[in-house]
Amino acid sequence: AQKVTQAQTEISVVEKEDVTLDCVYETRDTTYYLFWYKQPPSGELVFLIRRNSFDEQNEISGRYSWNFQKSTSSFNFTITASQVVDSAVYFCALRTDNAGNMLTFGGGTRLMVKP
Amino acid sequence: KAGVTQTPRYLIKTRGQQVTLSCSPISGHRSVSWYQQTPGQGLQFLFEYFSETQRNKGNFPGRFSGRQFSNSRSEMNVSTLELGDSALYLCASSLGGVEGEQYFGPGTRLTVT
Repeated sequence: AQKVTQAQTEISVVEKEDVTLDCVYETRDTTYYLFWYKQPPSGELVFLIRRNSFDEQNEISGRYSWNFQKSTSSFNFTITASQVVDSAVYFCALRTDNAGNMLTFGGGTRLMVKP
Repeated sequence: KAGVTQTPRYLIKTRGQQVTLSCSPISGHRSVSWYQQTPGQGLQFLFEYFSETQRNKGNFPGRFSGRQFSNSRSEMNVSTLELGDSALYLCASSLGGVEGEQYFGPGTRLTVT
């Protein structure tokens, strides 16, 4: 069985601060895929990134960066110089080869960026 | 390219009734998955359809069912509604391979009274 844990239920920062959202996963499968999604108040889940288990390269996209570490089963997400528009709930998710397209989600982290 | 669309966006039903939700995937996508989101249980996988066949199923009672049509559009049905079925129902589409991303629709918010 797989599990995703996002220990931070809510984070509040002031605009321009950097913030890191933690994600820890559990799976016995050797091939798996990790995802981050953003859910703004409108409700739609917006895809941010996918990482394969065999690719530990970190990735940067503008103000967003992701740190994937298999040794600690973590896939953390950092927003640099946060903006009010970053306020949303962020979900980390896991999919394994044995579970088809089923995503196992963490509980989500609500990020509030104050001006 | 148009995104995933879901209809209706909001729905109010009474206990014991049944409801059908609809999802139109991104053009060319053959896989449609359904998720239930509640404050207590979070996001939970209901089922996935690929080429009109249910490929995977989550741990939900038989009152929850679905189907997919030849144009990849999918419907989800919940019979004998219970108060606990009040939730945001999200549909996601993808090309179908396990490596691909899933793109979500805006959801249908179902309220059962």
